[in-house]
Amino acid sequence: QTVVTQEPSLTVSPGGTVTLTCTSNTGAVTSGYYPNWFQQKPGQAPRALIYSTSNKHSWTPARFSGSLLGGKAALTLSGVQPEDEAEYYCLLYYGGAWVFGGGTKLTVL
Amino acid sequence: EVQLVESGGGLVQPGGSLRLSCAASGFTFSSHSMNWVRQAPGKGLEWVSYISSSSSTIYYADSVKGRFTISRDNAKNSLYLQMNSLRAEDTALYYCARVVVTDRRLDIDYWGQGTLVTVSS
Repeated sequence: QTVVTQEPSLTVSPGGTVTLTCTSNTGAVTSGYYPNWFQQKPGQAPRALIYSTSNKHSWTPARFSGSLLGGKAALTLSGVQPEDEAEYYCLLYYGGAWVFGGGTKLTVL
Repeated sequence: EVQLVESGGGLVQPGGSLRLSCAASGFTFSSHSMNWVRQAPGKGLEWVSYISSSSSTIYYADSVKGRFTISRDNAKNSLYLQMNSLRAEDTALYYCARVVVTDRRLDIDYWGQGTLVTVSS
C-alpha cells in the first residue's frame, strides 16, 4: 500500500519561514510524481497552490514555493501571514493513481 | 470563471446506491480530464477516481474499485459518479476537480464545493 506522509502539525510565527515536506514510502519523491500542494481552510474546498513540484498557479502568493529536498517534495512559506493558518496537503501521482498526504495543520502563532 | 457544482449527495443506507453529478462551466469541459476526491468528516483528502477528457482512460482507488463508476457527458458538460454497494466508510464530502494534463503538467487546479454523502442506517 502506497503511503504519503506529511508532518501532522507545525507552528510558525508571523513573518517567519516554515517548510512542509511530503514523503513517499516507495522511495524518493521525484518530479515524475508531479507533486501538487493544496491549502484548505475550515469549511472550504481545497485550493491549489503548487503543481509539478515548483510551479505556482496565477493566484498563488509569491511567499509560497515548492521544491524537492532530500528525496521529499517540499512546500516553503516565507514571510508567513496570519491567513496562512490552514491545513496543507500534498498529492503525488503513481502512474494510474493519486495519493494524498495526510495533511499538515499549520498554526501561525 | 471556472465553476464546478456537485449535486446528488444525501443519506443512503448501507448497501444502497447514489449517483453524484458535477456541472462544469467557464471552460471547455471536453478538453479536460476530471477527478473525484472525497473527504470523510474531520479527515484528510482521498483521491477516488479519474476520467480522461474522452473517457478513454479511467482509474479508481482500490477502496472503491468494483463499486463506483465514473463517467462523463461532454455534450452536457457534466461529470458523474455512480456509487453502488455503499458502506459506512464511504461517508464523506465528495468533490469534483478539474485536472490539467500536458507533457509537463498533471495536476488539479480547480475544485467544486462538494456534495455530502452519508451512509447510515
